[in-house]
Amino acid sequence: NAGVMQNPRHLVRRRGQEARLRCSPMKGHSHVYWYRQLPEEGLKFMVYLQKENIIDESGMPKERFSAEFPKEGPSILRIQQVVRGDSAAYFCASSPQISTGYGYTFGSGTRLTVV
Amino acid sequence: SQQGEEDPQALSIQEGENATMNCSYKTSINNLQWYRQNSGRGLVHLILIRSNEREKHSGRLRVTLDTSKKSSSLLITASRAADTASYFCATDLGQGGSEKLVFGKGTKLTVNP
Repeated sequence: NAGVMQNPRHLVRRRGQEARLRCSPMKGHSHVYWYRQLPEEGLKFMVYLQKENIIDESGMPKERFSAEFPKEGPSILRIQQVVRGDSAAYFCASSPQISTGYGYTFGSGTRLTVV
Repeated sequence: SQQGEEDPQALSIQEGENATMNCSYKTSINNLQWYRQNSGRGLVHLILIRSNEREKHSGRLRVTLDTSKKSSSLLITASRAADTASYFCATDLGQGGSEKLVFGKGTKLTVNP
């Protein structure tokens, strides 16, 4: 079981470019969560998705950010027209079902640097 | 927005000593979880305690939960240099099918050999 796989591990983008972050959940997990971590901070919830559905996007900025979890393939977090303030570590977590009472499995993160 | 707050922000101890970290939160929870993060890495789930539990053990870890005070503590006994990491508490509010976690800012633990 490979765990939650995120790629790339590091991503450098110039201001105005697009960033695409990918997350493959653990085998058998159908729930994906994206979190953002600024330096020296805790993680902040962004979005919760199930296959082909966005369940809760209350933590997503209203502009430039979008997320999807298609029927086939990884979940994608997309940031359009990146700005310096988007520089952060973005973590994905997955779980098999809701309210299991088990902790989530996190990926190693993608560290986005906007120059 | 509701958020867990850990204290202390940083803790430095000698190998073999015990480390205690505290977490306070503001609203009712479904469960509270503790995670460890090594520098530059992802989070590793350590232990989960439900709102109807008061204490839980896992190896050298002991977690307590006091829902009346809205606080939790994580005790690491007989610490090792490998325990050096940041420790986060996260609350699961269990709201309406959304399973998001609310994290505190963490306690940075340094265990000196």
